Amino acid sequence: EDQVTQSPEALRLQEGESSSLNCSYTVSGLRGLFWYRQDPGKGPEFLFTLYSAGEEKEKERLKATLTKKESFLHITAPKPEDSATYLCAVRLFSGGYNKLIFGAGTRLAVHP
Amino acid sequence: DGGITQSPKYLFRKEGQNVTLSCEQNLNHDAMYWYRQDPGQGLRLIYYSQIVNDFQKGDIAEGYSVSREKKESFPLTVTSAQKNPTAFYLCASSRGPLSYEQYFGPGTRLTVT
Repeated sequence: EDQVTQSPEALRLQEGESSSLNCSYTVSGLRGLFWYRQDPGKGPEFLFTLYSAGEEKEKERLKATLTKKESFLHITAPKPEDSATYLCAVRLFSGGYNKLIFGAGTRLAVHP
Repeated sequence: DGGITQSPKYLFRKEGQNVTLSCEQNLNHDAMYWYRQDPGQGLRLIYYSQIVNDFQKGDIAEGYSVSREKKESFPLTVTSAQKNPTAFYLCASSRGPLSYEQYFGPGTRLTVT
């Protein structure tokens, strides 16, 4: 069964304390992996797309990496405004069409 | 400014009533999608549309209906047949049919009592 699992479910960090979020997947025919940020009560905001193992993307304090079985979102020296839920999604071909499967997300809280 | 708008932000309905959620985009995107988000679960696809006058069921289409009469608009109707309609509903669009990144609207929180 195609599945996306994010860990941890929740993460509390002190400001400046770097860490990583994990997105592992068991899918056949991966056609891309996406990271989104979601603030409470709002729609997800697109962050990164990764297509192949070894690929990396960076944006401010965030860096996303991809292997054959998982992706990491590294947060360097986080600030309180980085607090949000981070969603991972994989695109695959299933049932005759391309589809996205989302993980449940990691809730990140950064405290001053 | 280009973007996706959803209205209303909050919606309350009595059980047994149909309700329609609005989604409009001015990004000139061909593809549009409806997702449902429940606490502790990933987003689940309800319906998607690749072009005007065409749409396909997603993973959880039962109890929902859509139309795509205009490129800019993709309304979702939650019917009385949907057993657990209370949820956060998200509309998204992309340049092509799942070939590009999806961009999301602000969402509508529907509460049915």
